[in-house]
This record gives sequence, C-alpha cells and structure tokens, in this order.
Amino acid sequence: GQNIDQPTEMTATEGAIVQINCTYQTSGFNGLFWYQQHAGEAPTFLSYNVLDGLEEKGRFSSFLSRSKGYSYLLLKELQMKDSASYLCAVGDGDYKLSFGAGTTVTVRA
Amino acid sequence: IAGITQAPTSQILAAGRRMTLRCTQDMRHNAMYWYRQDLGLGLRLIHYSNTAGTTGKGEVPDGYSVSRANTDDFPLTLASAVPSQTSVYFCASSDASMGEQFFGPGTRLTVL
Repeated sequence: GQNIDQPTEMTATEGAIVQINCTYQTSGFNGLFWYQQHAGEAPTFLSYNVLDGLEEKGRFSSFLSRSKGYSYLLLKELQMKDSASYLCAVGDGDYKLSFGAGTTVTVRA
Repeated sequence: IAGITQAPTSQILAAGRRMTLRCTQDMRHNAMYWYRQDLGLGLRLIHYSNTAGTTGKGEVPDGYSVSRANTDDFPLTLASAVPSQTSVYFCASSDASMGEQFFGPGTRLTVL
C-alpha cells in the first residue's frame, strides 16, 4: 500500500517563497509527481522526479530523496494565481498513482 | 475534442438508480483511470485500465464497474447509487511511457 503525507494548509505573502513537503512510504516506486488544482477545476501536472535531486521549471522546483521517502515543491515569487491545492502523488510502477490529500496554499497580498 | 472530456458535468441522482459517467480521450493514451475526490481525502483510484480490453480495481472499487471496449472510451457505471457515492469524479489518461496523467474536467455527482 501507499502512505503519503503532506500538510493540509499553508499561507504565504505575495512575492514570497513557500515549500510544500511530502513524505511517502510505498510498496513500489517509479516516480513522484506534483499537481496543481485550482478550486472547482481538474488537477494539472506540474513536475515529475524519478531520480534524486532538484528539478527546476521556472518559478516552481521539485526535489526528491528516494532514500528518505521525501519530496518538496518550492514555489518562488508567489503570485495570487498560485492560490490552489498542490497534490503530491507517487507512481507505483504499474502506471498507477497514489495521491496525498493535498496542501491548500493561500497567497495573501 | 482536445484532451479528455467527461459527461455529464454534474448530476443529481436518486438513491438506487443506475448511472453511467462517460469519459473520452483523443490522445490515443493506452492507460485510463477513474478517481473520486472527497474533501480531506484527496484523489482515490476507483478503477483503471492499462490498455483496451483490460481493467483493474483501484483503492475504492466497490459499487462501481468499468469497461474498456476501445482506446478512447472508459465509462464508469454505478449499478445502484448510494449517498456515500456523492463526490466529484475525475477521469484521467496517460501514455504508459510517460507516466504523467492528464485529467478531464470532472463530474460532480450528488446522490440523494
């Protein structure tokens, strides 16, 4: 089975940096995914890590440590439009993903 | 069609009724998935299909069935709806070589 933990809520100020942590315990692993989901909308893909280290994509970066079962998503230069839920998901090696409950990020002016 | 479509967008259903949620993708992805999303619980996998003609059970399959007659369509059927099946349902697809899943817009289902 899969056990994926991430904080429920985070609040940050516009222009700031926020780091969303995700820890996981899984029976199989073929990658860690981060998705963004705005209220009332579908999740959209943000990043994918399969090897240890940092992947940077514009204002968003994602880090993975497989030995620690740990990942984080870093959001820099926060904008109001970044207010959303961020979902951590682990691939189980059989094309399936297990999702954490999501972290709701609120960006304040 | 571009991406994944789902129908209906929303539905109110009486308990005990049969309901089929439709999902169609035009990306020729071999894998498709059905999730339900409930507040505080995140996305939970109901059923999946790695390729046309095959299906598998996810984390919460009871009360649901699926079929995969072709690559593009993956309908989800509730044989006899119950109030606990009130949820937002998302269909997704992926190319097995990529892993990334693409999601449809969702169906909001209320069972009374």
